[in-house]
Amino acid sequence: AQSVTQLDSHVSVSEGTPVLLRCNYSSSYSPSLFWYVQHPNKGLQLLLKYTSAATLVKGINGFEAEFKKSETSFHLTKPSAHMSDAAEYFCVVSEFNAGNMLTFGGGTRLMVKP
Amino acid sequence: ETGVTQSPTHLIKTRGQQVTLRCSSQSGHNTVSWYQQALGQGPQFIFQYYREEENGRGNFPPRFSGLQFPNYSSELNVNALELDDSALYLCASSLGLAGGPSEQYFGPGTRLTVT
Repeated sequence: AQSVTQLDSHVSVSEGTPVLLRCNYSSSYSPSLFWYVQHPNKGLQLLLKYTSAATLVKGINGFEAEFKKSETSFHLTKPSAHMSDAAEYFCVVSEFNAGNMLTFGGGTRLMVKP
Repeated sequence: ETGVTQSPTHLIKTRGQQVTLRCSSQSGHNTVSWYQQALGQGPQFIFQYYREEENGRGNFPPRFSGLQFPNYSSELNVNALELDDSALYLCASSLGLAGGPSEQYFGPGTRLTVT
């Protein structure tokens, strides 16, 4: 069975400072991992994905994530936060034998202070 | 390229009623998945349809049912609505491939309120 734990329900940073959103996963097989962002009253947008290629994955809007199998982690980072980054972020795991079903973490709300 | 669309955007129903939500998949996609997102939580997988057949189901009761049509659009039906069914219902489309998981593209969702 696959599962995802997002270690922080809320993260607050100042504009221009680094962002770190933490995610740990559990998977019986080699997983695919994703980060999605959800702005208020909008649908989910894919930020980046890991599918067993390079362990450091670059996404849109300056975000990146590193897959660490030994730590079962897939943390999301950005060097410098922007006000427009304020949103809900979801770490997601998927296994091929689970029929492409996505399992979401509980979400991390990122707040950016001016 | 047309993205994933859902209708209606908002819906209010009474406990015990039935509801149908609709989703049009992205052009070229043959797989549709439905998710329920309760307030303050991450989305939960309801079921998936691949080429008009159910291809996986989450931990939801049988009163949640679905259809996929030849044009790959989809419906989610919920019978005997309960208050806990109040949530944002998200549809996602993808190109199902034998090689493994593919990206899912989400629609804006339908906000269902059950009173």
